[in-house]
Formats: sequence, C-alpha cells, structure tokens
Amino acid sequence: GQNIDQPTEMTATEGAIVQINCTYQTSGFNGLFWYQQHAGEAPTFLSYNVLDGLEEKGRFSSFLSRSKGYSYLLLKELQMKDSASYLCAVMDSNYQLIWGAGTKLIIKP
Amino acid sequence: IAGITQAPTSQILAAGRRMTLRCTQDMRHNAMYWYRQDLGLGLRLIHYSNTAGTTGKGEVPDGYSVSRANTDDFPLTLASAVPSQTSVYFCASSDSDNYGYTFGSGTRLTVV
Repeated sequence: GQNIDQPTEMTATEGAIVQINCTYQTSGFNGLFWYQQHAGEAPTFLSYNVLDGLEEKGRFSSFLSRSKGYSYLLLKELQMKDSASYLCAVMDSNYQLIWGAGTKLIIKP
Repeated sequence: IAGITQAPTSQILAAGRRMTLRCTQDMRHNAMYWYRQDLGLGLRLIHYSNTAGTTGKGEVPDGYSVSRANTDDFPLTLASAVPSQTSVYFCASSDSDNYGYTFGSGTRLTVV
C-alpha cells in the first residue's frame, strides 16, 4: 500500500528553527510537495522536489532523498504566523497526489 | 481574481437529501479534483477529472458522483447524504503533472 508518515504535532519557539520530517512509500514517484494549511483555510503550495537535494525559498527549505523515501521541510526564523498544519504529499506513478495527515506546528512566543 | 470558487461555504443537510457542491475555476486548468478532509486522516481523493468530458474514481468515491461538462466546472453530488459524509470538501485544479494544485476555500458539510 501507499503510505506517507509525518509527525502529528510539533511545538517550536518564535525566532527558532524547526524541521518537519516526512517519510513515504508509494507506487512510483513523480515529485514531493509541501503545503501549508492555516486552520479553517485551504492548503497553499510551499515547495516541490523531484531531484535529491535541498531547495531553498526564503525562510523555507525542503530536502529530498529518493533512495531513503525521505523529505523534510525546514522553517527558519519562525514567526507566529507560521502556526499552521504542514502537509507532505507525493505524486505517484499515476500522477495522483498521495497526502500525509499533516503536522500541526504550534509556535510559542 | 483568478482561482477556484466553491459554493456553498457551509451547509447543514438532513440525511437522505441530495446535495450538489459547486466548483468553478477560471485558470483553464485541465485537471480538477475533489477531496474530503477529516481530522487525523488528511486529504482523501473522492473523484478527479484529467480533462473535460472524462472523470475517474479516487480513494473514497462511494456515495459521490461528478461530471465535467466543460473545463471550468466540476460539481460533486451526494445522491443521498449520510452522517459519515460530514466533512470539509475541497476542490482543486492543476495545469501540469509536475506542479502544485490550487485549492478552493472549501465547503464545510454537516449531515444530520
């Protein structure tokens, strides 16, 4: 079966750095996505990785290791507005997105 | 503003009633999707359409039907609602296999 695992909840302090991990087992791989979802709102696109390595976009970076079935999202200089759920999703061989259940990130002052 | 519009925003529905959730996009995306999101389970695909005139079943299609008469509209119908269909429903679209989806703002449906 296909499976995406990520922690249910994480807590971090404003101004700090946090790493949210995602491991996956899917039938085929056509890229890994990270989305941000604030409570009561729609998911919004953060990043896309299809090759191994680190993609940096401002305060957010995403890393992929295809051989390990592993990705992480790194958030730097945390702000209160970063409190949200972060969803990991993998595009399988049928070009369908398989979603993790999401990691709720709580930022404390 | 380009994007996806969903209606209604929220709805309380009596069990056994028929309901259509509307989804319209103005980005000319080929592919469209319907998801439900339940606490602790993440997003689950109900139905999808890769292009106008075609539809396919996702992970949880039972009790739902869709149509794709044109590029812009992708309505989701619950023929006879049941309480287990209480959820938040998101419509999404994409114009490429390799890029992210754009989501509508969601419909919160409660079946009582």
